[in-house]
Amino acid sequence: KAGVTQTPRYLIKTRGQQVTLSCSPISGHRSVSWYQQTPGQGLQFLFEYFSETQRNKGNFPGRFSGRQFSNSRSEMNVSTLELGDSALYLCASSNELAGGHTYNEQFFGPGTRLTVL
Amino acid sequence: AQSVTQLGSHVSVSEGALVLLRCNYSSSVPPYLFWYVQYPNQGLQLLLKYTSAATLVKGINGFEAEFKKSETSFHLTKPSAHMSDAAEYFCAVSKAGGGNKLTFGTGTQLKVEL
Repeated sequence: KAGVTQTPRYLIKTRGQQVTLSCSPISGHRSVSWYQQTPGQGLQFLFEYFSETQRNKGNFPGRFSGRQFSNSRSEMNVSTLELGDSALYLCASSNELAGGHTYNEQFFGPGTRLTVL
Repeated sequence: AQSVTQLGSHVSVSEGALVLLRCNYSSSVPPYLFWYVQYPNQGLQLLLKYTSAATLVKGINGFEAEFKKSETSFHLTKPSAHMSDAAEYFCAVSKAGGGNKLTFGTGTQLKVEL
């Protein structure tokens, strides 16, 4: 099975622009989570989608949004980019069967490195 | 709220020596605990997980961790370090029934010297 893929791998934007990042989960996985990784703040949870519904949300401003499609692919969008949004954005997928009461391993993609100038 | 604290942002060991990376957790409910490894320019790979079964958990690449409720710890160990173990290691916690939200520690960079 192919792993989690993220596109693009690298991205350079300027302040004020918006950006969309894409994540394709492992085939059959219905849960997709997004994380931001920076040297200063470390790894922080952004949001999780399960069957096209946002199930969990981290403490990020409304400029950060996401969605999930019926094929489980997910996108996250950051509007009005700031310098502090420069980070590695990681996506993870999980083969969760139902209910969320049993932990299912999350598989991480290689990330998209966003640089905001 | 749940959190994990990793003691030591950088750890250096000699090849063949014991690896010990420390993680303490804080959780109001029984937690799920994890150790992930990240190599440069890559995503995270799960080393092992504790989900309320056996307290001594064995993972990949010879790593293991012991869940100690009395000490609120979940330290990662490996008897003999190898050069290929050099990477950044993250401890993480999630809540049973709370979906897949992971709360990560700040990471420990492991250096393995000859």
